[in-house]
Amino acid sequence: DAKTTQPTSMDCAEGRAANLPCNHSTISGNEYVYWYRQIHSQGPQYIIHGLKNNETNEMASLIITEDRKSSTLILPHATLRDTAVYYCIVRVAWSNYQLIWGAGTKLIIKP
Amino acid sequence: DTAVSQTPKYLVTQMGNDKSIKCEQNLGHDTMYWYKQDSKKFLKIMFSYNNKELIINETVPNRFSPKSPDKAHLNLHINSLELGDSAVYFCASSQRDSWNGGEQFFGPGTRLTVL
Repeated sequence: DAKTTQPTSMDCAEGRAANLPCNHSTISGNEYVYWYRQIHSQGPQYIIHGLKNNETNEMASLIITEDRKSSTLILPHATLRDTAVYYCIVRVAWSNYQLIWGAGTKLIIKP
Repeated sequence: DTAVSQTPKYLVTQMGNDKSIKCEQNLGHDTMYWYKQDSKKFLKIMFSYNNKELIINETVPNRFSPKSPDKAHLNLHINSLELGDSAVYFCASSQRDSWNGGEQFFGPGTRLTVL
């Protein structure tokens, strides 16, 4: 799996959009970008994933650059409950290949 | 209903003991996983298992063994516990052939402390 790099930490004001960047410059053509988050002391939670098109669901939006070397996770209206560590992972979907986790970005939402 | 559950939530034991952590999923998924999260918060895959194959991370000591009595359960047995085994262990499941590419659902974790 390709490696990803993310900022160690970020702050965002409550109610504003939180934009979390991720670099994956060595991503392969069949690798998807996945985002998970882990709220303190809980199990990781799936957020969204995509291949090359932008994706949106009830939790977030995922913007993938045209060259697929980077992506941004957008939480449109961050709340205090969005404070968590956010992990960007790339992997081949529908494979038995395990997720390989980096250090993630610690996102702190401030009132 | 809890999708992926683990028991116990906390486990404190002495070095050298043998212990088990149980995991159950009620999602009908065909693949289950065990992860270890150490004090530095890195999540590392230990095993992935479905009814066709077991994939083991080669860095996992053979003191750790997964046991699957049925499709909904994947238990983790640990023999001769060592201090370095102290960590939070997460169970997860996914549907390998699902349209969404196999997103994984995680349990709440088991905090293991070896004294």
